[in-house]
Amino acid sequence: QVHLVQSGTEVKKPGASVKVSCRASGYTFTADYIHWLRQAPGQGPDWMGSINPDTGGTNSAQKFRGRVSMTTDTSITTAYLELSRLRSDDTAVYYCARGRVYGGSPLFDFWGQGTLVPVSS
Amino acid sequence: QSVLTQPPSVSGAPGQRVTVSCAGRSSNIGEGYDVHWYQQLPGQAPKLLIYGNNNRPSGVPDRFSGSKSGTSASLAITGLQAEDEADYYCQSYDSGLSGSVFGTGTKVTVL
Repeated sequence: QVHLVQSGTEVKKPGASVKVSCRASGYTFTADYIHWLRQAPGQGPDWMGSINPDTGGTNSAQKFRGRVSMTTDTSITTAYLELSRLRSDDTAVYYCARGRVYGGSPLFDFWGQGTLVPVSS
Repeated sequence: QSVLTQPPSVSGAPGQRVTVSCAGRSSNIGEGYDVHWYQQLPGQAPKLLIYGNNNRPSGVPDRFSGSKSGTSASLAITGLQAEDEADYYCQSYDSGLSGSVFGTGTKVTVL
């Protein structure tokens, strides 16, 4: 079955960068987009962006453009999210999820377990 | 910031029916994009509950159902059970933002 396994907690200071990994298994990695989402404490999920593992093409939410980088290594079926110039309000649990499209709207059918990134001086 | 609006909380006794609303706008639900629903238990990742407005993934009980009309959607839980106590989020696509958007979230409490 489909599994997405993420890297562990990363404690960061303001201004630093963080890189989170997401290893996929149980399906053809290049067949579906990988999406990145985050959830701040007490808030709902917030979509950050997506990557097509087959082409490497990316699309990100406007609020993150210039600070976010999404990549994949198809040889090890792993996706990466890097977020730079971290601020305290970037404190959140970061998730990867497999994406499909239904009725014109992307959906996220399998999620990683989440990676906690606290940002504090 | 959440683009889709949900009530903060709903509650019901075991066996009752509850509904969770999701209000959107003309650039997302009203433009025809499908709505999906997720259930999030404490300390866990969200889980896909309903996709394409009213379809259940394999393994989701038929107590859960969805509907969509105009610029809004709703999730219904019939025969409420203690294990249904969780946070529920709606999600769709917004053409103005060119990305996926989520609801503000609703906490369902079983009395």
